[in-house]
Amino acid sequence: GAGVSQSPSNKVTEKGKDVELRCDPISGHTALYWYRQSLGQGLEFLIYFQGNSAPDKSGLPSDRFSAERTGGSVSTLTIQRTQQEDSAVYLCASSSSARGETQYFGPGTRLLVL
Amino acid sequence: AQSVTQLGSHVSVSEGALVLLRCNYSSSVPPYLFWYVQYPNQGLQLLLKYTTGATLVKGINGFEAEFKKSETSFHLTKPSAHMSDAAEYFCAVSGVNEKLTFGTGTRLTIIP
Repeated sequence: GAGVSQSPSNKVTEKGKDVELRCDPISGHTALYWYRQSLGQGLEFLIYFQGNSAPDKSGLPSDRFSAERTGGSVSTLTIQRTQQEDSAVYLCASSSSARGETQYFGPGTRLLVL
Repeated sequence: AQSVTQLGSHVSVSEGALVLLRCNYSSSVPPYLFWYVQYPNQGLQLLLKYTTGATLVKGINGFEAEFKKSETSFHLTKPSAHMSDAAEYFCAVSGVNEKLTFGTGTRLTIIP
């Protein structure tokens, strides 16, 4: 079946603008994760959704970052008032719910803030 | 808390030679360990994982890794490198919850 998809694949924005990044997980996967990959910080966990439970937001770097997951499927990561340090590749992953299950990653959205 | 250390940000090996990528972890609970590979401009692909059971884990593309609790290590090996193995490799640990903590990655270069 289809893998994890993300859109857009690339996004260029101006400092101070808001951006929305979208993730479509694998059908039937109840767990969804957002990670950020940047030169200075490597791969960092941002947020985790599991079914109808409250999301684990412990990795969000500031209150400018938020995410939602509608209907237990599609997720949107929103960055408000973007800063140059937000430039990174944003990766989404999904898995079935059990600990240790493989997380399947999407191709990422490359964000450049000018 | 959990963490991963990958020794060597860059590793170069000759085609046909042994590949050894090092990973050490710390975890407050029995860990689940993963190796992912990333090719240029692509997402992460799982190579192999250890959850429970046999400590020697075989993965795709001829890679394997051995979980050594006494050494808190999960090194990745491949007996004979191919040009197609050139990529970045990430070790990761899953601790008390499902989120992954990644190492800083090792870029593998294959010398023809």
